Amino acid sequence: EVQLVESGGGLVQPGGSLRLSCAASGFTFSTYWMSWVRQAPGKGLEWVANIKDDGSEKYYVDSVKDRFTISRDNAKNSLYLQVNSLRTEDTAVYYCARDLGAGKVYWGQGTLVTVSS
Amino acid sequence: QLVLTQSPSASASLGASVKLTCTLSSGHSSYAIAWHQQQPEKGPRYLMKLNSDGTHRKGDGIPDRFSGSSSGAERYLTISSLQSEDEADYYCQTWGSGIRVFGGGTKLTVL
Repeated sequence: EVQLVESGGGLVQPGGSLRLSCAASGFTFSTYWMSWVRQAPGKGLEWVANIKDDGSEKYYVDSVKDRFTISRDNAKNSLYLQVNSLRTEDTAVYYCARDLGAGKVYWGQGTLVTVSS
Repeated sequence: QLVLTQSPSASASLGASVKLTCTLSSGHSSYAIAWHQQQPEKGPRYLMKLNSDGTHRKGDGIPDRFSGSSSGAERYLTISSLQSEDEADYYCQTWGSGIRVFGGGTKLTVL
């Protein structure tokens, strides 16, 4: 069974940082693109970043470029999102997802990031 | 620019059918999309991949009541025999040149 479990969310002040993690199991993690998607309160889904199976390619939505960094550790079956210089508008539930491309998609349950003073 | 457009809301009666639409931006009519469902207070759930020729591949455990079809730049999600648990937000999503794009979502109300 494919499982994606996010962690690392919490309350942080504007300008602060967090490291989000996504633990994957039930599939060969090293052969799939992985993505982070977020959903602000009462809003729709917004793609944030994704990373190629071997980590050689990374893409970001413009609003997070230079502030967020996606990475992965295939030996640990884990996906990460380092979020820096947080703004109130980054408040959202952050989901990891397997392959928002041509393959079958799986979603995690999400982790809440709240940016507030 | 790759953009997906969805109507903000739709409604249909219990037991009836409804067809939701997702429109690809100009120049992208050959793109495949995915449909995702998000029930209230829950995370997203993958429904299916839908190709430009209308062929589709569903996710795990998705009932036969859910089907997809395509026409030009339009991608459709049809839900038949509507049930109360189908009341949810439905998002289309596509990909290209490394990026992923979501439509704004359609809120489906089951009357």
